[in-house]
Amino acid sequence: DGGITQSPKYLFRKEGQNVTLSCEQNLNHDAMYWYRQDPGQGLRLIYYSQIVNDFQKGDIAEGYSVSREKKESFPLTVTSAQKNPTAFYLCASSTGLAGGLRAGELFFGEGSRLTVL
Amino acid sequence: AQKVTQAQTEISVVEKEDVTLDCVYETRDTTYYLFWYKQPPSGELVFLIRRNSFDEQNEISGRYSWNFQKSTSSFNFTITASQVVDSAVYFCALSEAGYSSASKIIFGSGTRLSIRP
Repeated sequence: DGGITQSPKYLFRKEGQNVTLSCEQNLNHDAMYWYRQDPGQGLRLIYYSQIVNDFQKGDIAEGYSVSREKKESFPLTVTSAQKNPTAFYLCASSTGLAGGLRAGELFFGEGSRLTVL
Repeated sequence: AQKVTQAQTEISVVEKEDVTLDCVYETRDTTYYLFWYKQPPSGELVFLIRRNSFDEQNEISGRYSWNFQKSTSSFNFTITASQVVDSAVYFCALSEAGYSSASKIIFGSGTRLSIRP
């Protein structure tokens, strides 16, 4: 089945450690996104990418890094510089706004919950 | 700058009541897209609707209807005859149309809807 796969679902990290969250899609979508969800704050955009080897910062990019070496993959690294990394992280992909009837629709993964101990 | 405001943090109604979720947006662009997503307790976001800025026609899909008013920058969502299965967090989102395949899509803080039997 086509979709977005995020791993791991749950992750625990000690302070000062970097951690990488995986996001893979087999929908052949050009655009991919990372959001962070905290209680009462909705989804906040971390990074997004429209094409391989290209990505843009979202509203809360500090303390995070991404790469887009393959169309299918958009991993997110939460670095030790991120002051409050405990959150629910959602990856999404999209055909982009030129993609027909469902243009712009985001297809989401099941999320990764990161807890810093 | 883009902004989406969902002023209602939580709403609780009794089953079969009608309920309206408010969404107010800000953008400098004349071309943009608005979305509604549903996040059930399972956590995975589900696309409900997309509306572009040139189409102010209201839309109805079963018990769901959407009222888009550019004059007040609002895109409200009404559920008629609510059911317990409608209980979820609902997000309004905004994307400014760009010429690339990926555009920045930002979300409101969400409205948690609880339908009591």
